[in-house]
Amino acid sequence: GAGVSQSPSNKVTEKGKDVELRCDPISGHTALYWYRQRLGQGLEFLIYFQGNSAPDKSGLPSDRFSAERTGESVSTLTIQRTQQEDSAVYLCASSLQGQLYEQYFGPGTRLTVT
Amino acid sequence: SQELEQSPQSLIVQEGKNLTINCTSSKTLYGLYWYKQKYGEGLIFLMMLQKGGEEKSHEKITAKLDEKKQQSSLHITASQPSHAGIYLCGADIGGSNYKLTFGKGTLLTVNP
Repeated sequence: GAGVSQSPSNKVTEKGKDVELRCDPISGHTALYWYRQRLGQGLEFLIYFQGNSAPDKSGLPSDRFSAERTGESVSTLTIQRTQQEDSAVYLCASSLQGQLYEQYFGPGTRLTVT
Repeated sequence: SQELEQSPQSLIVQEGKNLTINCTSSKTLYGLYWYKQKYGEGLIFLMMLQKGGEEKSHEKITAKLDEKKQQSSLHITASQPSHAGIYLCGADIGGSNYKLTFGKGTLLTVNP
């Protein structure tokens, strides 16, 4: 079956521009996560969606970051007024409800802010 | 300071050799997860450990969680070039049941 997909795979943008990153979770997975992986750093939790519950946004680094999820499907992560420190690989993961730990990861979007 | 420390940061071994990667926290780990990452690919789930003293094996990879649930090790026996990649440990440190904290990873190179 299809895994988690993310688009674009690579994005180069100029400082100050807005970007949108997309994640398509595995069908039937109600939980969706966004992580950020900066060079030389571990993965940082950004946001968690679970069904119709309010998302846990505690990991978003600033108010320039926001994420939406349509029902239990696609999610978009938006970064406004990008800064060079936003350059990273953004990873999306999904999991079945009740199996919140076995997270299936997408290939990531490599964002470069010039 | 890093909540989850991995060591070593990188490792180069000759094919056929055994190796161990460690993951340590000063806090209780409610769940410990090992993932493997290859460049340009997503993380591949390897194993999950939850109980103190638990040990799991898959093919030539064995992972253990200590009794105090603060340290885990990943051991690869008779390494092969296919084992090369970045190994990441992730853990639920706060008991949230969903929020994972990750180590910085261990880059493994296996020379044929």
